[in-house]
Amino acid sequence: QSVLTQPPSASGTPGQRVTISCSGSSSNIGKRTVNWYQQLPGTAPKLLIYSDNQRPSGVPDRFSGSKSGSSASLAISGLQSADEADYYCAAWDDSLNGVFGGGTKLTVL
Amino acid sequence: QVLLQQSGPGRVKPSQTLSLTCAISGDSVSSASTAWNWIRQSPSRGLEWLGRTYYNSKWNFDYAVPVQGRIIINPDTSKNQFSLQLNSVTPEDTAVYYCARGFHSSGWSDWGQGTLVTVSS
Repeated sequence: QSVLTQPPSASGTPGQRVTISCSGSSSNIGKRTVNWYQQLPGTAPKLLIYSDNQRPSGVPDRFSGSKSGSSASLAISGLQSADEADYYCAAWDDSLNGVFGGGTKLTVL
Repeated sequence: QVLLQQSGPGRVKPSQTLSLTCAISGDSVSSASTAWNWIRQSPSRGLEWLGRTYYNSKWNFDYAVPVQGRIIINPDTSKNQFSLQLNSVTPEDTAVYYCARGFHSSGWSDWGQGTLVTVSS
């Protein structure tokens, strides 16, 4: 059981906009920033969004993050087949632990 | 460009010690601007942050509560690397282990290639 809650799956067609939610609590997302990671099969996670809504260099602006209260969201616009991957949210918790969501498997139909 | 290269055995017997090393190129383990983390991933437990070390006038260590008492992260400035030691392992410690660079606030931006460690007799 992960500390942060994500839907196990999401899907969309090419060109569509999809959002993935991440729900936490006042001990993590409610008071600290959220990061998002993309994981392609057989590879290490890749940083996609940090500090709620910042994109590292090289990440397309099709990817965006937002946060409200104890929940956060990742939005992907102009969906591409290459976006098919697992997506994870992460936050820092009062217990000084890094905590993750259980991951959302994105399927491009 | 920062590269993290992991090494270590892929199989450990129950009750023994899991040891992995992460060699750093393109940055310094003593850098005051970053942290060095170990994270693992298994089908049953998902992604799990294990701990980190960072240098800020002195060495600092933070460990996840579930593994506290069993884990040691050790920086090695002479070889520019850091290591993970997890004691008294059980089959539940079977996972892909990753090293990663960064503080959470700026994201874990660079990752090692991952090492599948199986705990089995």
